[in-house]
Amino acid sequence: SAVISQKPSRDICQRGTSLTIQCQVDSQVTMMFWYRQQPGQSLTLIATANQGSEATYESGFVIDKFPISRPNLTFSTLTVSNMSPEDSSIYLCTTSRAREGTQYFGPGTRLTVL
Amino acid sequence: AQSVTQLGSHVSVSEGALVLLRCNYSSSVPPYLFWYVQYPNQGLQLLLKYTSAATLVKGINGFEAEFKKSETSFHLTKPSAHMSDAAEYFCAVREGGYNKLIFGAGTRLAVHP
Repeated sequence: SAVISQKPSRDICQRGTSLTIQCQVDSQVTMMFWYRQQPGQSLTLIATANQGSEATYESGFVIDKFPISRPNLTFSTLTVSNMSPEDSSIYLCTTSRAREGTQYFGPGTRLTVL
Repeated sequence: AQSVTQLGSHVSVSEGALVLLRCNYSSSVPPYLFWYVQYPNQGLQLLLKYTSAATLVKGINGFEAEFKKSETSFHLTKPSAHMSDAAEYFCAVREGGYNKLIFGAGTRLAVHP
């Protein structure tokens, strides 16, 4: 398994501001994923971040709103830009090392936008 | 494209009773399937996974799931529920060769005395 840490663990932000979430993995991994879990909902994949290339975004998510960086094989950041209350969610970073795609989840970042 | 359907957004059982959480999948290729559990205010924890080996998969905390290709199902069971099993359970399928997971809507399990 992989050990994943995220910072911050939670934050309360004002409308119109931006927040950058950091994700650190305890070993080198090729693929990292960012998910969003809105209140009472399931998980939705935002994007896949590979080191050395642009992130691949899922339908409904755009780079201007959710810019992602992947500077090395153990670290990634997700920025939630120009936030609105609808962005209030848990944001989760994951990675996968196993052939079958088992994903290991970090503790998540609980974001509240006022 | 792969998809997952979890039947029943809420399931309630008595302590000691059988737990059955349903998951049906849609996949054009042999699927890799997963069950995750999320306890209140915590992250997701892997319960078990099916990776085309044995069709009956045993996981942590006494849970198991059986892969049935003919029924496109991967239902999660536990013979005897404990109060500590109360949580949200998510079924997921791996999409293609990209290692990204498609999650079902989740089932909230309540266990009452």
